[in-house]
Amino acid sequence: NAGVTQTPKFQVLKTGQSMTLQCAQDMNHNSMYWYRQDPGMGLRLIYYSASEGTTDKGEVPNGYNVSRLNKREFSLRLESAAPSQTSVYFCASRGTGGQLFGYTFGSGTRLTVV
Amino acid sequence: SQQGEEDPQALSIQEGENATMNCSYKTSINNLQWYRQNSGRGLVHLILIRSNEREKHSGRLRVTLDTSKKSSSLLITASRAADTASYFCAAGIYSSASKIIFGSGTRLSIRP
Repeated sequence: NAGVTQTPKFQVLKTGQSMTLQCAQDMNHNSMYWYRQDPGMGLRLIYYSASEGTTDKGEVPNGYNVSRLNKREFSLRLESAAPSQTSVYFCASRGTGGQLFGYTFGSGTRLTVV
Repeated sequence: SQQGEEDPQALSIQEGENATMNCSYKTSINNLQWYRQNSGRGLVHLILIRSNEREKHSGRLRVTLDTSKKSSSLLITASRAADTASYFCAAGIYSSASKIIFGSGTRLSIRP
């Protein structure tokens, strides 16, 4: 049972380049999330998708776009990368049942923008 | 801004001792969750306590919640070297069906 799979695990971009971070879950979860984690800080919510076909902004959405491709997949796109987007990105998913269950996280994508 | 704030930011204890971490949050919540993160890895869900619960146990973990003080604590009893990790609280926000907001974490080190 793979859980939440993120690709790639590592990426180096030059300022201005674009890229898409991929996330897929095999648990039939409705909700999916993208967080970023900076040194010494907790996770900050970038975007989330409460269900297939919907997406909403989180705390720090500027510079990012997302696509909920289907129930399994939720991608995060950086259109024009900036050094401030250097971070570790985590995708997570959660099943139904309101907020009675915890989130399942992927292992992260470490992104460096130079 | 962060919804949850953990205290202390770092904690070092001897193996076998108990570790207590505290979390404060700002708004009304549906639940309060605790996660563990080993170095270089994703977060792992440990325990969830609902807003109408005051205490919950899971193995060596004990979580308390005081909604009047907007605070929670995580107690790890009989600590082991494998408990070395960062621990985060996350507040399930009442006004949102889908969001949780994380605190900045407590780095726990267990000395052998």
